[in-house]
Amino acid sequence: AQKVTQAQTEISVVEKEDVTLDCVYETRDTTYYLFWYKQPPSGELVFLIRRNSFDEQNEISGRYSWNFQKSTSSFNFTITASQVVDSAVYFCALSPWEGGSEKLVFGKGTKLTVNP
Amino acid sequence: GAGVSQSPRYKVAKRGQDVALRCDPISGHVSLFWYQQALGQGPEFLTYFQNEAQLDKSGLPSDRFFAERPEGSVSTLKIQRTQQEDSAVYLCASSLAGPNQPQHFGDGTRLSIL
Repeated sequence: AQKVTQAQTEISVVEKEDVTLDCVYETRDTTYYLFWYKQPPSGELVFLIRRNSFDEQNEISGRYSWNFQKSTSSFNFTITASQVVDSAVYFCALSPWEGGSEKLVFGKGTKLTVNP
Repeated sequence: GAGVSQSPRYKVAKRGQDVALRCDPISGHVSLFWYQQALGQGPEFLTYFQNEAQLDKSGLPSDRFFAERPEGSVSTLKIQRTQQEDSAVYLCASSLAGPNQPQHFGDGTRLSIL
């Protein structure tokens, strides 16, 4: 019932290219939250952004931007002018609020490699 | 430290041994989570505490897995009679209460079962 799909397993770009990471989710809940996390080679998951199901405003933070579209159940992440330091695995996650649990349901991740 | 602390960082055990993994959450964080991350996969939810109460253990794969948080702070994930398929990175996260709160993750414990 709750699922996150990141269809892109690996993406490789050259520095300064723009890149979009796709995320499609499934849930029956009307209230839910979506997150993006970054996992660099060191391994620690780093929180990037949170979006709730009632707020479809797009968000921009520096070179990062997020496009949330409820109509297509998508929450895509774009990095503008990519840099080598952006190389990491990026995870999209859903907090479905099913039964009151605060657990996160993660996608399988997209490994981004930015080459100099 | 200011972040979530997990120990040990690496653990090697022989099949059949019991292991205990420790998580020290961010001070003041009510919620604590355990996830299992296999190589090349996303984290999979195991269990979740709010203070000392274990509110969701639906992700624990078998009764060999047990978690506790007796005083509402430090948590321990115990795996009994380990099997090779238990080899993974075990991640702990903590947050303020509420599904909208971002979870902050530790570095994880890499468990290898020989």
